[in-house]
Amino acid sequence: DTGVSQDPRHKITKRGQNVTFRCDPISEHNRLYWYRQTLGQGPEFLTYFQNEAQLEKSRLLSDRFSAERPKGSFSTLEIQRTEQGDSAMYLCASKRQENTEAFFGQGTRLTVV
Amino acid sequence: DAKTTQPPSMDCAEGRAANLPCNHSTISGNEYVYWYRQIHSQGPQYIIHGLKNNETNEMASLIITEDRKSSTLILPHATLRDTAVYYCIVRDNAGNMLTFGGGTRLMVKP
Repeated sequence: DTGVSQDPRHKITKRGQNVTFRCDPISEHNRLYWYRQTLGQGPEFLTYFQNEAQLEKSRLLSDRFSAERPKGSFSTLEIQRTEQGDSAMYLCASKRQENTEAFFGQGTRLTVV
Repeated sequence: DAKTTQPPSMDCAEGRAANLPCNHSTISGNEYVYWYRQIHSQGPQYIIHGLKNNETNEMASLIITEDRKSSTLILPHATLRDTAVYYCIVRDNAGNMLTFGGGTRLMVKP
């Protein structure tokens, strides 16, 4: 069990650029979640996958955001035309099934300048 | 998922028990109480969860009142490394995500 891995840990980008983050969940965890956390707030749910299927998306996930989990293993979160309001920590979590605890990665801190 | 109310911050002396309260007066019968914590610059870490009965593991104990409208997380011997934001979350086991509130910022002092 190597834990949930996220890459990169930090990203600084100029407004208007596109960015992509990667999450590698714990092996055999079929559920994968993305959350966003701004300074001083708790994490907010963005979207989740069961295997390769994206089953739920939050209203927070505007059309500039897209997430994929093509083979039911790693996932990517892309933000197009970044805005300063996108600056946040993006957290990934995985779990085995409904009634188990979720394990979080260390997050990717995005700064849009 | 039911909403929870936690004090925004608490202090605890190193070596003493830290008792973190959580109110969840609208909890329904099939909803569990989960606790996570988040140490600065890290992702949240699962601590413990329970339905009705008190629970204990190597990290903490969870005491749930008989009416289930509130609970307390107990760290029996707090250390400086327990300084973190502690989140109390109520959800059923079919729930697809965790809904985090503001949490309690616990400061363990020497």
